[in-house]
Amino acid sequence: SQQGEEDPQALSIQEGENATMNCSYKTSINNLQWYRQNSGRGLVHLILIRSNEREKHSGRLRVTLDTSKKSSSLLITASRAADTASYFCATDSGGSNYKLTFGKGTLLTVNP
Amino acid sequence: GAGVSQSPSNKVTEKGKDVELRCDPISGHTALYWYRQSLGQGLEFLIYFQGNSAPDKSGLPSDRFSAERTGGSVSTLTIQRTQQEDSAVYLCASSSPTSGTDTQYFGPGTRLTVL
Repeated sequence: SQQGEEDPQALSIQEGENATMNCSYKTSINNLQWYRQNSGRGLVHLILIRSNEREKHSGRLRVTLDTSKKSSSLLITASRAADTASYFCATDSGGSNYKLTFGKGTLLTVNP
Repeated sequence: GAGVSQSPSNKVTEKGKDVELRCDPISGHTALYWYRQSLGQGLEFLIYFQGNSAPDKSGLPSDRFSAERTGGSVSTLTIQRTQQEDSAVYLCASSSPTSGTDTQYFGPGTRLTVL
């Protein structure tokens, strides 16, 4: 079964707008990671947030983690057409920090 | 430095044939992972190698699937007697747990189509 579940499944915005994607998970975790995938091929790691962290920034990305609600959000500010991709959250299985479980992803389309 | 590479990038095969998919991890990375991604789905964990430890094969969907990692570097995922439901993108990743990060770096994947 999927550990991480992203919502929305699809999001379409205009260039310059902010995009927010959410991820919920079911069991305890050590880390939560966000990945981007273009055209159904290789994934690019965006950011990792540990269970004892609440917020993390990287460039135009902001990730929050609420372990009490078992949820995370990814915010992309000032979006660009090049941000068009699928975004996945991935959680480890608590007991092992290597076996990542991915959600089905959010397809983000940024219209120029 | 070079990232994770995979070959072939695309593979079309007939039902019942065996296929081998190759993964070259990032040099120095001791951990290697295989995942499968079916159309419109997230990634499904298949197998994990770490150094000389016994691999975690818990994600392999059937005994038709096997993987080896020779010399602690290159890995081969073998699917025997392929079925149409094996059609997917197979992704390999590597990481360096000793560096203190759990970040997995992914290759471009092999798109397998079973006719």
